[in-house]
Amino acid sequence: AQSVTQPDIHITVSEGASLELRCNYSYGATPYLFWYVQSPGQGLQLLLKYFSGDTLVQGIKGFEAEFKRSQSSFNLRKPSVHWSDAAEYFCAVGQNTGGFKTIFGAGTRLFVKA
Amino acid sequence: DGGITQSPKYLFRKEGQNVTLSCEQNLNHDAMYWYRQDPGQGLRLIYYSQIVNDFQKGDIAEGYSVSREKKESFPLTVTSAQKNPTAFYLCASSGSPGAGELFFGEGSRLTVL
Repeated sequence: AQSVTQPDIHITVSEGASLELRCNYSYGATPYLFWYVQSPGQGLQLLLKYFSGDTLVQGIKGFEAEFKRSQSSFNLRKPSVHWSDAAEYFCAVGQNTGGFKTIFGAGTRLFVKA
Repeated sequence: DGGITQSPKYLFRKEGQNVTLSCEQNLNHDAMYWYRQDPGQGLRLIYYSQIVNDFQKGDIAEGYSVSREKKESFPLTVTSAQKNPTAFYLCASSGSPGAGELFFGEGSRLTVL
């Protein structure tokens, strides 16, 4: 069965510092991969997605992610974090068997300190 | 503006009562989804529908029911058979099977007393 692992429950970074959020997936074929962000009490918003092609994908709000097939990873990065980036981040994998479904990781909560 | 509307945002119910959560979209999307979110567990799929008058169980369908009589509407009923219904419920839609990206509503928080 497919699964998504986000090893860090929470991360704290200083404003202006770089950020990397880890994501590992388990899936037999070429995966559809996503990163979503959620502010408290809100729905989720797509940051970026990878379907095929260039393994480094750019998203909104200055985020990027790199797909590494050999490591089954899809880590999210940002060179300089802003206080407004404090939120929960979810990595997800899509499967297209009997209908398209998206499986989410448990999430990583990002805290930003001044 | 196009989007997904969930209502109510907050709901309190007594144990043993059925509750229906509304989800409406005006994005003209074929696929709609219901997820449950609990702290530390991410989002778990309850039910999904790829087309009107058809829906499939997700990973945690027990104690829930849905209908898809109209393209724009996908209500979720939390029945008294759901053992632990207190949670944050999220509805989402997608433009077409395989497109992948989910568009989410703002969620409904259900508290069962």
